[in-house]
Amino acid sequence: AAGVIQSPRHLIKEKRETATLKCYPIPRHDTVYWYQQGPGQDPQFLISFYEKMQSDKGSIPDRFSAQQFSDYHSELNMSSLELGDSALYFCASSLSPSGNTIYFGEGSWLTVV
Amino acid sequence: ILNVEQSPQSLHVQEGDSTNFTCSFPSSNFYALHWYRWETAKSPEALFVMTLNGDEKKKGRISATLNTKEGYSYLYIKGSQPEDSATYLCGYPLIQGAQKLVFGQGTRLTINP
Repeated sequence: AAGVIQSPRHLIKEKRETATLKCYPIPRHDTVYWYQQGPGQDPQFLISFYEKMQSDKGSIPDRFSAQQFSDYHSELNMSSLELGDSALYFCASSLSPSGNTIYFGEGSWLTVV
Repeated sequence: ILNVEQSPQSLHVQEGDSTNFTCSFPSSNFYALHWYRWETAKSPEALFVMTLNGDEKKKGRISATLNTKEGYSYLYIKGSQPEDSATYLCGYPLIQGAQKLVFGQGTRLTINP
């Protein structure tokens, strides 16, 4: 069965650079979530989209932005990267309504040097 | 409890033994509880979504119970096998209809052969 696809799987960027992560949800899923997990930390919710509209916002820095496109894939744009942005970024998808199982991608490792 | 707490954080179990661990969550305004199994370098795998007080769900040797009045869920593993070694995460939506989960730190389970 198709899963949540994230790309790239690994990314190395320098401070102050920009990075873009992509997420392709499971077919027919209409909701996409982004989570950030720093070393030794819990996964922290960043932002979610339902039917291409932002539906919920968590601890996403102002330097980050995201959107969901007409084909339901989502992109997380991170600018002015800082060392502390180094983390594993998970994308997840689900089929509304809330309470349905949320399926995670394998994550994108971002290292800022 | 204001957030999701899991205990213990780390657990070592002998192969063949049974084990269990806990997820505690705010007991007021319960909506749903999600359990995930997360192996290193893989995406979190959805195990259960629990919604009703007294729910008991089972998947092979893994089962979970839910007590929404006191705000906890137990995950049980019967006859542990090396492939059960993983981090087990529970996630909880803090707001009804919220499309984000707040996760605990997870219980890291290691099965010793």
